[in-house]
Amino acid sequence: SQKIEQNSEALNIQEGKTATLTCNYTNYSPAYLQWYRQDPGRGPVFLLLIRENEKEKRKERLKVTFDTTLKQSLFHITASQPADSATYLCASVGGNTPLVFGKGTRLSVIA
Amino acid sequence: EAQVTQNPRYLITVTGKKLTVTCSQNMNHEYMSWYRQDPGLGLRQIYYSMNVEVTDKGDVPEGYKVSRKEKRNFPLILESPSPNQTSLYFCASTPNQGGNQPQHFGDGTRLSIL
Repeated sequence: SQKIEQNSEALNIQEGKTATLTCNYTNYSPAYLQWYRQDPGRGPVFLLLIRENEKEKRKERLKVTFDTTLKQSLFHITASQPADSATYLCASVGGNTPLVFGKGTRLSVIA
Repeated sequence: EAQVTQNPRYLITVTGKKLTVTCSQNMNHEYMSWYRQDPGLGLRQIYYSMNVEVTDKGDVPEGYKVSRKEKRNFPLILESPSPNQTSLYFCASTPNQGGNQPQHFGDGTRLSIL
């Protein structure tokens, strides 16, 4: 069955550094990958979407890459700030299958 | 303002007492879905609906029912709730199922079944 995995449950980094979160998928080839931010007790909020034929997508301090050879997407936050502390979820769709979410990576940016 | 509204936000109830969690979206989206989120298990889809009167099971449908009589509303029904349905529930909507559009989530409903 198709699987999407975020290898790190938690990640701690210093303010100002670049945070890099990883999302791996197996047993399918997603047409799109999405990234969401979730704050405690709140619903996920959409951040970025990248298509399989796009290598990279940027939005302000955020950057997402999609490597179909490695079956992996990387999510980067540059110049990280304490306000970036949250759980980040990746999600994907392959063909007509519903959106499947990874379990998330909890990012803590330490001042 | 574009939004997905869930009610109630919090509910404590007892085993076997039927309950309904409402979900409404004002974006004219065709696709709506319900998720539950549990520690260590992430977001799991319960049911989804591709359009009015079209619903289908997700990954964890047991113990739940849904209906889609109108495009904007997608209630989640627990006919006989049990303690293992204690969880944080999210409703979401998106223009279509294709995955090329973002999902809009409600703020969640925290259910405790005693």
